[in-house]
Amino acid sequence: GQQVMQIPQYQHVQEGEDFTTYCNSSTTLSNIQWYKQRPGGHPVFLIQLVKSGEVKKQKRLTFQFGEAKKNSSLHITATQTTDVGTYFCAGTRAAGNKLTFGGGTRVLVKP
Amino acid sequence: DVKVTQSSRYLVKRTGEKVFLECVQDMDHENMFWYRQDPGLGLRLIYFSYDVKMKEKGDIPEGYSVSREKKERFSLILESASTNQTSMYLCASTPGLDTQYFGPGTRLTVL
Repeated sequence: GQQVMQIPQYQHVQEGEDFTTYCNSSTTLSNIQWYKQRPGGHPVFLIQLVKSGEVKKQKRLTFQFGEAKKNSSLHITATQTTDVGTYFCAGTRAAGNKLTFGGGTRVLVKP
Repeated sequence: DVKVTQSSRYLVKRTGEKVFLECVQDMDHENMFWYRQDPGLGLRLIYFSYDVKMKEKGDIPEGYSVSREKKERFSLILESASTNQTSMYLCASTPGLDTQYFGPGTRLTVL
């Protein structure tokens, strides 16, 4: 079945530094979504990418969808303590009707 | 404002008990989902429903069943709880194949 892998599983970042988390699918996706889950909270939708090569920005967050629509990345610049949490990508297979989530990247920020 | 509620935040049950987890959404969404979340494994889809009385198996349906008698309510049933079903259970709803709105989660412990 469809698999979505995220790397790294854990990311320790110094406050102020940049980092990137990657998401790779075993199958071509019709879209990819990103969610953020704060410690003790539930996943909250961040963004959806649909087009091949699409790039979207939300303040310090930059999301990219690969040309082949099989991978995606989230880049955070100037990390802040408010960025702490687990970031999940989730993809819908082409002609599919359900999301498959990656394992998540847990981000810890060192002040 | 979007709202998805789950019947309990924490639940402790004994092996062999029948367990009901309830989820209610007030957004008139067609689609509802049950996931379980375990460290390092992300969110795994148990069952989903895209209409009243309709249900489809997700990736890990074994040991679970669901019920959707009304559009706003989606119940997850553990017929005979086992210790390997100790997990965080998240319900979500969506109007289509886009943003999923999650409930706060139920942390179930099976002793």
